[in-house]
Amino acid sequence: AQSVTQPDIHITVSEGASLELRCNYSYGATPYLFWYVQSPGQGLQLLLKYFSGDTLVQGIKGFEAEFKRSQSSFNLRKPSVHWSDAAEYFCAVGYNDMRFGAGTRLTVKP
Amino acid sequence: ETGVTQTPRHLVMGMTNKKSLKCEQHLGHNAMYWYKQSAKKPLELMFVYNFKEQTENNSVPSRFSPECPNSSHLFLHLHTLQPEDSALYLCASSQGGTNTEAFFGQGTRLTVV
Repeated sequence: AQSVTQPDIHITVSEGASLELRCNYSYGATPYLFWYVQSPGQGLQLLLKYFSGDTLVQGIKGFEAEFKRSQSSFNLRKPSVHWSDAAEYFCAVGYNDMRFGAGTRLTVKP
Repeated sequence: ETGVTQTPRHLVMGMTNKKSLKCEQHLGHNAMYWYKQSAKKPLELMFVYNFKEQTENNSVPSRFSPECPNSSHLFLHLHTLQPEDSALYLCASSQGGTNTEAFFGQGTRLTVV
């Protein structure tokens, strides 16, 4: 069965520091991969998606993610974090439906 | 603003009440979804509708009853809920079929007392 694992429940970084959020998936075929962000009390907003082609995808708000088939990973990165990036981040795998990871909560220190 | 609107934003109901959650999308999408988001749990897919037909019901208790009168509207009818049903209920829509991203509403925060 397809599944998504986000190993880090909570990450704290300093403002201006780089960020990497991990996502691993388990699926028989090449899945369709997504990263969403959720601010407190809000719904989920799509940051970026990977369907095929270039394995490094660019998203909104300066985020990017790299698909690595050999590692079954789709990690999210940002070179310099802003205080407004503090939120919950969800990785998702889509095929017949969309399955979400448990999420990683990002705290940004001043 | 994602184009998916959920009402109400907050709802408190007793265990014997009947209430409904509403979701509306103006994106021309053909698929709509209900998700449940509880604290410290992964997002749970509850129901999927494609072209107004229910295509998935992920073992959701019958006290949750979805309705999709047209491809723009989705309801979740609630009755005799339990306190453990308290959660954020998220509606989403997509173009339909497979492999397309979902657009989410802001959710309804439900508290069952």
